[in-house]
Amino acid sequence: DAGVIQSPRHEVTEMGQEVTLRCKLISGHNSLFWYRQTMMRGLELLIYFNNNVPIDDSGMPEDRFSAKMPNASFSTLKIQPSEPRDSAVYFCASSLGTEISTDTQYFGPGTRLTVL
Amino acid sequence: AQSVTQPDIHITVSEGASLELRCNYSYGATPYLFWYVQSPGQGLQLLLKYFSGDTLVQGIKGFEAEFKRSQSSFNLRKPSVHWSDAAEYFCAVAPYSSASKIIFGSGTRLSIRP
Repeated sequence: DAGVIQSPRHEVTEMGQEVTLRCKLISGHNSLFWYRQTMMRGLELLIYFNNNVPIDDSGMPEDRFSAKMPNASFSTLKIQPSEPRDSAVYFCASSLGTEISTDTQYFGPGTRLTVL
Repeated sequence: AQSVTQPDIHITVSEGASLELRCNYSYGATPYLFWYVQSPGQGLQLLLKYFSGDTLVQGIKGFEAEFKRSQSSFNLRKPSVHWSDAAEYFCAVAPYSSASKIIFGSGTRLSIRP
């Protein structure tokens, strides 16, 4: 299996621009997680989906962030408008089951976002 | 407040030496416990996890961890490190519920001295 695929791997944009991060889950997996990693705050869960349905988005920083799962194998995380403080590495992870604390999560390689 | 602490930000050990990375948690009950590894430029990979039962847990890549309830600790160990073990290691916890999200520690960066 190819594992979790994220694109782009690196993104540099200017403040105010829209940014879209993409994630392809491992085939057959039913849960999808978006994390953000920064030096200051470490690794934070932004949102997760079970069977394409958003379950907990309490980690989404503000309304500028939105995430969707248009189908069972694909997700996007959008930031509009972007700000310099959004600079971070964004990880997508998927798991086979829907028990989020016990099912093994498989992480993608991440997207390094820099907002100038 | 519930928390997970990794007191060591950076550790350097010689290749072939033993390794112990510390992790302490603060929860009312025994949580689910995890160790993940992140190699440079990569996502996280699960090394091992503890839910219940035997307090010594074996993981991949020759790692093991021991849960000590009395010390609220879940330290990661390896008897002999290899240069390829250089990475960032994250301890993580989830409250004892299958519906609880995982909280990650701040990480310990491991460097290997040739």
